[in-house]
Amino acid sequence: RKEVEQDPGPFNVPEGATVAFNCTYSNSASQSFFWYRQDCRKEPKLLMSVYSSGNEDGRFTAQLNRASQYISLLIRDSKLSDSATYLCVVFGPANEKLTFGTGTRLTIIP
Amino acid sequence: ETGVTQSPTHLIKTRGQQVTLRCSSQSGHNTVSWYQQALGQGPQFIFQYYREEENGRGNFPPRFSGLQFPNYSSELNVNALELDDSALYLCASSQIQGYGYTFGSGTRLTVV
Repeated sequence: RKEVEQDPGPFNVPEGATVAFNCTYSNSASQSFFWYRQDCRKEPKLLMSVYSSGNEDGRFTAQLNRASQYISLLIRDSKLSDSATYLCVVFGPANEKLTFGTGTRLTIIP
Repeated sequence: ETGVTQSPTHLIKTRGQQVTLRCSSQSGHNTVSWYQQALGQGPQFIFQYYREEENGRGNFPPRFSGLQFPNYSSELNVNALELDDSALYLCASSQIQGYGYTFGSGTRLTVV
């Protein structure tokens, strides 16, 4: 089983729609959780950290369920500029490393 | 405040050669980690340095080695290059392990 699993997509979604990404992780002792965004041929950039209480940043909402080892990202009112690959990322507990999922490619259609 | 810078941006090497990639961490960041991203995959952890000591390593062979310098900049060395080493190599720095990683724009290595 992969340490971090996410649907590779691609997701092709009309502008203005709501998109949901899901991710699961295998190690229950993992310490912190993130969503990164990666544009084509660019470096990953932190989109948001994910907390058990849930957190929201504008149109973006992230949620962590430690009992189910499940992480989600919701994008509301999607924009053309949201087109990118979204990477689910888990930190720890061993090797002090970030473990990335394979990423989900999102294309917003005008 | 400068971000993470990597050099070179692109590189073409022949199988069997050796390569050194460089990374300057963001000001105030004492932790540097390196990742390999093959096409269509997520980044894979190579190793991490904290205050000039390696403190974590992924599933990469010993021909992948590194250094961190007193100014917290870092090098990734790969010996005996193989075709499968062709990838985007990313460097990330942070001030606190586990949070606030900033990535450089990467070095795209092609092995022919």
